[in-house]
Amino acid sequence: DQQVKQNSPSLSVQEGRISILNCDYTNSMFDYFLWYKKYPAEGPTFLISISSIKDKNEDGRFTVFLNKSAKHLSLHIVPSQPGDSAVYFCAASEAGANSKLTFGKGITLSVRP
Amino acid sequence: DTAVSQTPKYLVTQMGNDKSIKCEQNLGHDTMYWYKQDSKKFLKIMFSYNNKELIINETVPNRFSPKSPDKAHLNLHINSLELGDSAVYFCASSQVIGRAFFGQGTRLTVV
Repeated sequence: DQQVKQNSPSLSVQEGRISILNCDYTNSMFDYFLWYKKYPAEGPTFLISISSIKDKNEDGRFTVFLNKSAKHLSLHIVPSQPGDSAVYFCAASEAGANSKLTFGKGITLSVRP
Repeated sequence: DTAVSQTPKYLVTQMGNDKSIKCEQNLGHDTMYWYKQDSKKFLKIMFSYNNKELIINETVPNRFSPKSPDKAHLNLHINSLELGDSAVYFCASSQVIGRAFFGQGTRLTVV
């Protein structure tokens, strides 16, 4: 029972263009959402997060948008750089759930020079 | 000075063996976790400890036993290894809700 879904397994974009990575969730109790980035043979690293009381959070080239009514969030990377090529995991947690993260299965982003 | 370090990075062992994976964090976090990434690439939580106390146990077979000697360490011991235990195991720690720091992972291969 996947509570966090990343339906596209991969995305390829040209350097300098925008990358849009999508994520859907089913658990309405989720109130905190995160994106993690993972390079091969390394652990996931935190990228950006958003609380359910917001609909947008921006950090440099990375912006996360949250649409609670649609149970959908997206990560925008602009401009995309070749070093952004990695697997991106969407994750979510419930309030008071001891910070347990529920992950999607990830999307592989390839940024072409 | 790695924040979350786990050893070994690779572990190949035979079915039926008992093995341990060690994890240490130097971030001063109160909460530590073990996550498993299976062949389908899903990252799923196994255990969570807060100040050496078990707070999450996600229906993991009791062949898996976490041990936290202090809040900076959370080791994972696995008895009677099975082929299906082959996966990448990640240790993590956190202080702020959700924002977990992960180790580099241990790729366990059971043959």
